[in-house]
Parts: sequence; structure tokens; C-alpha cells
Amino acid sequence: GAVVSQHPSWVICKSGTSVKIECRSLDFQATTMFWYRQFPKQSLMLMATSNEGSKATYEQGVEKDKFLINHASLTLSTLTVTSAHPEDSSFYICSARDLAGSAGRETQYFGPGTRLLVL
Amino acid sequence: GQNIDQPTEMTATEGAIVQINCTYQTSGFNGLFWYQQHAGEAPTFLSYNVLDGLEEKGRFSSFLSRSKGYSYLLLKELQMKDSASYLCAFMDSNYQLIWGAGTKLIIKP
Repeated sequence: GAVVSQHPSWVICKSGTSVKIECRSLDFQATTMFWYRQFPKQSLMLMATSNEGSKATYEQGVEKDKFLINHASLTLSTLTVTSAHPEDSSFYICSARDLAGSAGRETQYFGPGTRLLVL
Repeated sequence: GQNIDQPTEMTATEGAIVQINCTYQTSGFNGLFWYQQHAGEAPTFLSYNVLDGLEEKGRFSSFLSRSKGYSYLLLKELQMKDSASYLCAFMDSNYQLIWGAGTKLIIKP
């Protein structure tokens, strides 16, 4: 099946630094990728929709200047958490839309997630 | 408006069958997804239904009724490793996933 990777899987950083998270679709092209955040024992929360070659669409309440998204190719989207603070500590998960999908159906596949801890 | 609802927690016995229900309301619909999420891990794709009916995939089956805004995930021959959260989500007219809060399934020996 389709595979999506994320790097890094774990990151610990000091408050005020910036952290870049990569999301790659390994065996399919993804014109659209999504970035989610999940706090412990809570459901996934969509942060933004990343479209290849154009600006990302952010959900209400998500600061676009703080969470920079770049979707420079059909297989790579990056999320940069700028000037990270302890409250940004969370589990960040990307997903990639596979238009072909298995059995010809559109499917979203998730990366393994990135745990961010800001000290 | 849009909303989606599923039970918070369910308990079942190893070897048994369990059905996790999901109801939703939306004006635009492009399919319903079920994902499995183990604690501390990202969700993994289980099924996708866009037409009414039952789709079977091994021990897991998923059903959809668009007129009733209803879906269920059926797990047969439960194994301890099936203990996880099961998330249902529908894709709206903008092709975004609207997520349920997840059903925590506890499997007992």
C-alpha cells in the first residue's frame, strides 16, 4: 500500500527555536497534503491543507506565520514551527491524498507522526 | 452544519464480534473513512465507503447508508492487538476529512 514518511519522528528543542518537519509520499504523487495536530487523548485537529505549487490553506485559529507550510514538490511538504513555545508541544501528523488509491478510490494515508517537545 | 458522532468507548471479548457505529450530518459528502489508531501512533487506513452497502476486507467490514447518515465498522474474531481507537471521518464537499472523536475499543481475554 501507499506509504507516507515523516522526519523527524521525535524532536526536543528549546523555546524560541524553529523546527522543520518533513512529510513525504514515497510511492505516489500527492498534490494535496494535510497537516494535523493531536493533543493527548484528543482527536486529530486539521491545521492546514497544503497544495503543491500554491499557498497553504489554514484552518481558523491556526497562525500561518507561526506554522509555515511549503509544498514544493508532488512528494514533499514541510511544516516549520517558528519560535516554538512549550504550548506547541504536540503530536504533528501529516497525511497525503492519493487520488488513485487502492481499488481506484481516493484515500488519505498518514505519516507516522512527529512528537515535538518544546522545553 | 456538519457533525459526526461515535461512541467514546466499547469493550469486547477476544474472539468475539464488535460493531462500532458512526453517524454523521453534512450537506456535501465524498465518502466515509475508518482508521485505526494505536496509542501513541498515527492513524492507519482501514476502509473507505462512498456507495451504500457493506465492504468486507478480511476480519474487518465497513457499512454505509448515505440516506441515514450512518456507518459501522464490524470487527470479527477479535484479537488483543485490535485494542485501539477507531476513528470515523467523512470527506466533505471541499474534500477535507471531518473527524469523529474516536471510539476506544478495549479487548478483554
